[in-house]
Amino acid sequence: KAGVTQTPRYLIKTRGQQVTLSCSPISGHRSVSWYQQTPGQGLQFLFEYFSETQRNKGNFPGRFSGRQFSNSRSEMNVSTLELGDSALYLCASRMLNTEAFFGQGTRLTVV
Amino acid sequence: TQLLEQSPQFLSIQEGENLTVYCNSSSVFSSLQWYRQEPGEGPVLLVTVVTGGEVKKLKRLTFQFGDARKDSSLHITAAQPGDTGLYLCADISNFGNEKLTFGTGTRLTIIP
Repeated sequence: KAGVTQTPRYLIKTRGQQVTLSCSPISGHRSVSWYQQTPGQGLQFLFEYFSETQRNKGNFPGRFSGRQFSNSRSEMNVSTLELGDSALYLCASRMLNTEAFFGQGTRLTVV
Repeated sequence: TQLLEQSPQFLSIQEGENLTVYCNSSSVFSSLQWYRQEPGEGPVLLVTVVTGGEVKKLKRLTFQFGDARKDSSLHITAAQPGDTGLYLCADISNFGNEKLTFGTGTRLTIIP
């Protein structure tokens, strides 16, 4: 079966711009979580969506937001980009109480 | 806030050698998971352990969960170049909100 698909794979943006990243979960998976991975902070939880509702949110500023559609696809948006937002953004999908499957990530570079 | 410290941060060894990496938590784990992440890929789940003192084996990998459920180790026997990657431990919240708290990671390089 197809895995978790994240688009785009690579992205370069300028400070102050906004960006939208997309995640298509494995078919049948209704939970989608987003993580930020940086060399300094490691892998950090951003938020989790289930059935179009945000169930949990990490300690990130309000510039980071997300949503989930009725087909379980999810998007995350970062507004007013800062240099420190440069990172690998990973999404993971799961069925309830089962293994999380991660996508390959979107590498965001802010210049 | 739970903190998961992994050691060593970096490890480079020759093919065929044995190694152990560690994960220590500031609080009791709900459930502990180990992941491996290869360059350009997302993390892949290796194992989930729940019970204190539990030992699980996956081919040449042996995972041990501390009795107090605050620490874990991953032992690799006869390391191979394919074992190269970033090893991450993680705690999965069991309060229904599907949140993973990841450790700081051990970057392992196996030299052929």
